[in-house]
Amino acid sequence: DQQVKQNSPSLSVQEGRISILNCDYTNSMFDYFLWYKKYPAEGPTFLISISSIKDKNEDGRFTVFLNKSAKHLSLHIVPSQPGDSAVYFCAASARNNNNDMRFGAGTRLTVKP
Amino acid sequence: NAGVMQNPRHLVRRRGQEARLRCSPMKGHSHVYWYRQLPEEGLKFMVYLQKENIIDESGMPKERFSAEFPKEGPSILRIQQVVRGDSAAYFCASSPGTGLVAFFGQGTRLTVV
Repeated sequence: DQQVKQNSPSLSVQEGRISILNCDYTNSMFDYFLWYKKYPAEGPTFLISISSIKDKNEDGRFTVFLNKSAKHLSLHIVPSQPGDSAVYFCAASARNNNNDMRFGAGTRLTVKP
Repeated sequence: NAGVMQNPRHLVRRRGQEARLRCSPMKGHSHVYWYRQLPEEGLKFMVYLQKENIIDESGMPKERFSAEFPKEGPSILRIQQVVRGDSAAYFCASSPGTGLVAFFGQGTRLTVV
């Protein structure tokens, strides 16, 4: 039951350019969305989140966009840096329905110098 | 303020043995989530617990797996009679409440030989 989908398993970007990671969800009860970054052999670390009452949230080089009608969100990283190379997971939760978080399969971002 | 602590970091078990994975949430966090990551795959939800209660265990196999989060002490994920297919990284996350960001531990890497 894949409620959160990240259809691109990998993405390669040149340093300094924009990275766009995409995520789709199916459960209309989801109202809170998060992005996590994961390095090998480490736990995921929280990056940025957005509530369903917003359509954009920005934090430095990272911006998350939410399109509720399309059930789609994206993470933009600009400018991309080699240190951004990691696996990025999209997550969604339904705060009025148990709040358990569901994750996508992840997208491996490689930023080339 | 220590982060989410998982132990052990690495666990090797022979087929048929029991594996016990521990997760101490961040101070003040009463919500715990367990996820499993198989090699080359994403994070799969297993179970969501609040103090002394299992809220959602829909992602946990019906047999051999159990989880608890007692009033005192860490959350425990127990796998009985382990099989090779149980080899994976198991991650725990905690949050202070509904609709708030969850933070992850470093994970326990279980290897069944």
